[in-house]
Amino acid sequence: ETGVTQSPTHLIKTRGQQVTLRCSSQSGHNTVSWYQQALGQGPQFIFQYYREEENGRGNFPPRFSGLQFPNYSSELNVNALELDDSALYLCASSFPTGTGELFFGEGSRLTVL
Amino acid sequence: GESVGLHLPTLSVQEGDNSIINCAYSNSASDYFIWYKQESGKGPQFIIDIRSNMDKRQGQRVTVLLNKTVKHLSLQIAATQPGDSAVYFCAERADNFNKFYFGSGTKLNVKP
Repeated sequence: ETGVTQSPTHLIKTRGQQVTLRCSSQSGHNTVSWYQQALGQGPQFIFQYYREEENGRGNFPPRFSGLQFPNYSSELNVNALELDDSALYLCASSFPTGTGELFFGEGSRLTVL
Repeated sequence: GESVGLHLPTLSVQEGDNSIINCAYSNSASDYFIWYKQESGKGPQFIIDIRSNMDKRQGQRVTVLLNKTVKHLSLQIAATQPGDSAVYFCAERADNFNKFYFGSGTKLNVKP
C-alpha cells in the first residue's frame, strides 16, 4: 500500500466533454506527478507539481491542466476530450530531492466514446 | 525526446528459474534509473533503483545492472515465482525535476 489514492477508479466520457481526476499524495510527499498510460504502453509524463506550482511538463497540449492544493493533493483536468485520451491516468507522489522514487496510485481508467 | 526501450516484449520462464529483463536507454545524461512492476489493474510498484555512479545493485531476489557504455539496464530476478508474473518497466530520469521516461514494458510469464 503506497498511500497514494486516486478517484474515480473508472469513468466514461464522450468526445468534447471535460474531466477532473483527483489524487491524494502519500503522507509527507510534497511533489505530485501525473502520467498517462495508454493500453500496452509505458506511462508518459504529463506534468509535475511542487508547492502548488507546475515545475515540469511533458508533450501534452494545454487542454491538459492541473492543480496542487496546500495539503499536496492534486487534480488533473482535461478539456475537449478526444478519443485518444482514453487511457489509465496515474498519479505519483515523491519528495522533490533525495531518492526520487515515485510512489504510484492505482490510477483512473478513462474511456472516451 | 528521450527513448527507453525493451528488447523483449514477452518473456516466459519456468518457476524457479532466473529471469533477465533488458532495457536500452538513449539519454547519456540520465542519472537515476528505476525498475517498476505492474500487475494487471494496478499502478506501477517500485522494485529496485540504481544511480548512474553505480553499475550493480542488489535487493531481495533482484539485481539491477547498469552499463553506461552501451546505455543498457537489466533486471535479474532469482528463483522466479508465479507472483512475479507482471509487466516490468524500466524508467530513467534525465533532469532535476524527477521527470521519468518509461519504456514500453516487458511482460513476464512464469509457468508453474
